[in-house]
Amino acid sequence: GAGVSQSPSNKVTEKGKDVELRCDPISGHTALYWYRQRLGQGLEFLIYFQGNSAPDKSGLPSDRFSAERTGESVSTLTIQRTQQEDSAVYLCASSTRDSLKYGYTFGSGTRLTVV
Amino acid sequence: GQQVMQIPQYQHVQEGEDFTTYCNSSTTLSNIQWYKQRPGGHPVFLIQLVKSGEVKKQKRLTFQFGEAKKNSSLHITATQTTDVGTYFCAGPSGGSNYKLTFGKGTLLTVNP
Repeated sequence: GAGVSQSPSNKVTEKGKDVELRCDPISGHTALYWYRQRLGQGLEFLIYFQGNSAPDKSGLPSDRFSAERTGESVSTLTIQRTQQEDSAVYLCASSTRDSLKYGYTFGSGTRLTVV
Repeated sequence: GQQVMQIPQYQHVQEGEDFTTYCNSSTTLSNIQWYKQRPGGHPVFLIQLVKSGEVKKQKRLTFQFGEAKKNSSLHITATQTTDVGTYFCAGPSGGSNYKLTFGKGTLLTVNP
């Protein structure tokens, strides 16, 4: 596609429920990233995928968070047993292998609200 | 771990005034990137700086990378209402060439 697509754009869920967020990267972008942005804050790294290599999960805040990616396509971020502190905008980005030159292309994000 | 700090956190200017945001890293950076996030939007890549002392311009925006490659600045000349948003700097994290650590950003508001 023309850009990074994320769905849903908004999600309201009850505390304790599981949620799944989806990201469609730009075709041909081998790298995919998930970041979290709390209200008025910077971007917090969650996880990184590069092709078929093992993902860098070092930013996942707890074992309630997991993510998968099939090859170089769609990724899903799953949050189990959601807590109120999980409320944030979850941003997905993709890039070519050499992200240093061309930067990340971000999606519009999923705004998650846990009530 | 690596920290990337930005000041100021907020800046309000009258249209036509200049604006500068500063970015400082706790470690030497191989490069630095700048992003702009409009209110309600997502971050958009503006530019990357690589060389020590590098200066790049995009119309009214001037980006600088410090000689020691630990700091950077973004200067906007004669701000316009379209410049409103949060400006983030980001640097490679922990020697990685793919994972970025973002600063908390500077929110710029412009009074018309």
